[in-house]
Amino acid sequence: DGGITQSPKYLFRKEGQNVTLSCEQNLNHDAMYWYRQDPGQGLRLIYYSQIVNDFQKGDIAEGYSVSREKKESFPLTVTSAQKNPTAFYLCASSFQGLAGGNTGELFFGEGSRLTVL
Amino acid sequence: DQQVKQNSPSLSVQEGRISILNCDYTNSMFDYFLWYKKYPAEGPTFLISISSIKDKNEDGRFTVFLNKSAKHLSLHIVPSQPGDSAVYFCAASALRNAGNMLTFGGGTRLMVKP
Repeated sequence: DGGITQSPKYLFRKEGQNVTLSCEQNLNHDAMYWYRQDPGQGLRLIYYSQIVNDFQKGDIAEGYSVSREKKESFPLTVTSAQKNPTAFYLCASSFQGLAGGNTGELFFGEGSRLTVL
Repeated sequence: DQQVKQNSPSLSVQEGRISILNCDYTNSMFDYFLWYKKYPAEGPTFLISISSIKDKNEDGRFTVFLNKSAKHLSLHIVPSQPGDSAVYFCAASALRNAGNMLTFGGGTRLMVKP
């Protein structure tokens, strides 16, 4: 089945440690995104990538890093520089534009909950 | 500065009645709008979208209305069902400029009472 997979679903980290969240998609989407959700708040864009080997900062990129070496994969590293890393992280992917009957929607993974102890 | 705002953090509706969720935006470059539904600890799922060339789009019990002059859109759910209880996010994109990158509102928690 086609879809987008995030792992791990739950992750605990000690302060000062870097952690990497995995995101893989087999939907043949060109674009991939990382969002963060905090309690009672909307989704805020961390990084996005519209094509392999290229990515752009979103609204809250500080303390995060990404790579896009393969079309299917867009891992997010939460570094020790991120001051408030405890959150629910969502990865998404999409086709570009509205061609070919595309509805313009983003397809989301199930999310990864990161807790810093 | 929030470009997409959902001013009602929560809404409670009786089963069978209409649910109306509202969303306002400030960026005039936005030309495509979507609604997502989210259950706790899960990723959002797409509900319905509307292009700026339309003022209404309907899909079953869900209808989205767009008022470009007011920079306002709304999602109507008729009739509301208990399974509709979730957080609803409004999202907007400027397809001509930024591809499918979405800017989300803060969400509205809908509770449908049996």
